[in-house]
Amino acid sequence: QVQLVQSGAEVKKPGASVKVSCKASGYTFMSHGITWVRQAPGQGLEWMGWISVYNSKTNYAQKHQDRVTMTTDTSTNTAYMELRSLRFDDTAVYYCGRVGAADFMSEYWGQGTLVTVSS
Amino acid sequence: SSELTQPPSVSVSPGQTARITCSGDALPQQYVSWYQQKPGQAPLLAIYRDSERPSGIPERFSGSSSGTTVTLTISGVQAEDEADYYCQSADSSGSYWVFGGGTKLTVL
Repeated sequence: QVQLVQSGAEVKKPGASVKVSCKASGYTFMSHGITWVRQAPGQGLEWMGWISVYNSKTNYAQKHQDRVTMTTDTSTNTAYMELRSLRFDDTAVYYCGRVGAADFMSEYWGQGTLVTVSS
Repeated sequence: SSELTQPPSVSVSPGQTARITCSGDALPQQYVSWYQQKPGQAPLLAIYRDSERPSGIPERFSGSSSGTTVTLTISGVQAEDEADYYCQSADSSGSYWVFGGGTKLTVL
């Protein structure tokens, strides 16, 4: 069965960087992109971007494009999302999702990773 | 892709029909997906391509589209359907995705 397993919770100081991992299993990793979405406490879902595992092409939300980098490692079937210059309002649960084969949506999601930015 | 607008909340009694709308100027040209999210859980895809239901999603969940508005309908609402629901769309190249603000469904 398809599974996306994310790395554990992180606590970072303002200005630092965080790199969240998302390990995929149960399907051909290169056949689907990976999208990243975050959710601040008590708030809605916010799309951050997605990466094609096949050709490593990325699409980032304009709001995040200066601070985010998405990558994949096909040798370990793992996707990564790095966010730099962290601010207090980056505190959120970060989710990875598998992009549909023919649609820009996600049927499978990781369990989420809580990133807390605190001084 | 433009913004998506959802009502903040919808309330229904068990057994009734809940309708949650999602409006956006670009929706006539874009598919919409719907996600259910319960507290502390990851989103769950409930509907995609406006009206397609993934395997495992109960038949009481359906979707429809008319012009700039897409509607998620839950027929015969059950207590377990109480959750936040988000619509999502993307432009044709996938370079821009957007989520609606979410609708809290309360089962009275």
